[in-house]
Amino acid sequence: DGGITQSPKYLFRKEGQNVTLSCEQNLNHDAMYWYRQDPGQGLRLIYYSQIVNDFQKGDIAEGYSVSREKKESFPLTVTSAQKNPTAFYLCASSTGQGAPTGELFFGEGSRLTVL
Amino acid sequence: GQNIDQPTEMTATEGAIVQINCTYQTSGFNGLFWYQQHAGEAPTFLSYNVLDGLEEKGRFSSFLSRSKGYSYLLLKELQMKDSASYLCAVKDSNYQLIWGAGTKLIIKP
Repeated sequence: DGGITQSPKYLFRKEGQNVTLSCEQNLNHDAMYWYRQDPGQGLRLIYYSQIVNDFQKGDIAEGYSVSREKKESFPLTVTSAQKNPTAFYLCASSTGQGAPTGELFFGEGSRLTVL
Repeated sequence: GQNIDQPTEMTATEGAIVQINCTYQTSGFNGLFWYQQHAGEAPTFLSYNVLDGLEEKGRFSSFLSRSKGYSYLLLKELQMKDSASYLCAVKDSNYQLIWGAGTKLIIKP
């Protein structure tokens, strides 16, 4: 079945460590996104990519980095520069931002906790 | 600035009808989405409105008034499994999604 796979589902990190969250999709979607979700707030966009080897910063990119070397993969690295990284991270894909509906398909999420 | 407003929490009874409102102020408009999110899980797509009026899909309907910057999600014949958060999101003129904080819906027997 087609879908988006995120891993790990739960991750614990010590302060000062970088961690990488994996996101793989087999939907043949061009666009991929990383969001952060905190209690009581809407989803906030970290980075997005509309095509391989290209990506743009979202609203809260500081302390994060991404790569898009393959269409299927869009990993997110949470660096030690991110001051408050404890959150629920969601990866999503879509056929493209300008598509008629362009609804997002989400992965199951990765919950990162900094100890 | 861009803003999406939804009630934080609503309570309804199993078998009843509930309406979840969403008002928005965005730079341009290229459609409004409703997503359902169960606790600890990923959001799933429910509906999309780009023209004024009502879109019906089974027990769920979504309404849009672009002139009023207003939408609602109507859930009929509520079931316990409908207990979830409902997220409203608007695509602005740059096709970026602006998200509301979500409405937590609690269904009581």
